[in-house]
Amino acid sequence: GEDVEQSLFLSVREGDSSVINCTYTDSSSTYLYWYKQEPGAGLQLLTYIFSNMDMKQDQRLTVLLNKKDKHLSLRIADTQTGDSAIYFCAPWMGKLIFGQGTTLQVKP
Amino acid sequence: NAGVTQTPKFQVLKTGQSMTLQCAQDMNHEYMSWYRQDPGMGLRLIHYSVGAGITDQGEVPNGYNVSRSTTEDFPLRLLSAAPSQTSVYFCASSYVLDGTNYGYTFGSGTRLTVV
Repeated sequence: GEDVEQSLFLSVREGDSSVINCTYTDSSSTYLYWYKQEPGAGLQLLTYIFSNMDMKQDQRLTVLLNKKDKHLSLRIADTQTGDSAIYFCAPWMGKLIFGQGTTLQVKP
Repeated sequence: NAGVTQTPKFQVLKTGQSMTLQCAQDMNHEYMSWYRQDPGMGLRLIHYSVGAGITDQGEVPNGYNVSRSTTEDFPLRLLSAAPSQTSVYFCASSYVLDGTNYGYTFGSGTRLTVV
């Protein structure tokens, strides 16, 4: 069945780069999404990448996709305290399946 | 344009009670889904629908029913509430064109406690 794995926690200092990793099992995923969830709130779509792309950059966000290894990463440049949240990887496999989420803690 | 609206925001049920979580979207989205979020487990798909009149099971469908009689509404019914169904429930909808999903819009969630 489908499976999506993420590390549970990442701590960085303000101004550093953050890299959140995700692995998935279904190689037929056509779109792969990153969502952000702030405390007590719903999920907000951050960015997405098509499966025929290796990289997508959107301001401070860079998404890298390695289809061969089924590995997706989200890099946040110049991480700010406002970036503290839970980040979810979600490949589209005819339905959206989420990883467990990575809690990003940004220390001042 | 309200997006995805979930009601109620909070609910406490007794074991064995039934209730319906409401979800409505005004974006004419075809796809709608229900997820539950539990600590350390991310979001798990309960049921989803690819259009009016069509529903399918997700990862954790047991104990829940859905129907999709209109494009706008996708209610989730708990048949006989159990403490294991204590969770935060999210409804989401998305626009799909030619097989391309343009990303889900999520409601703000319903926090359900079963005692």
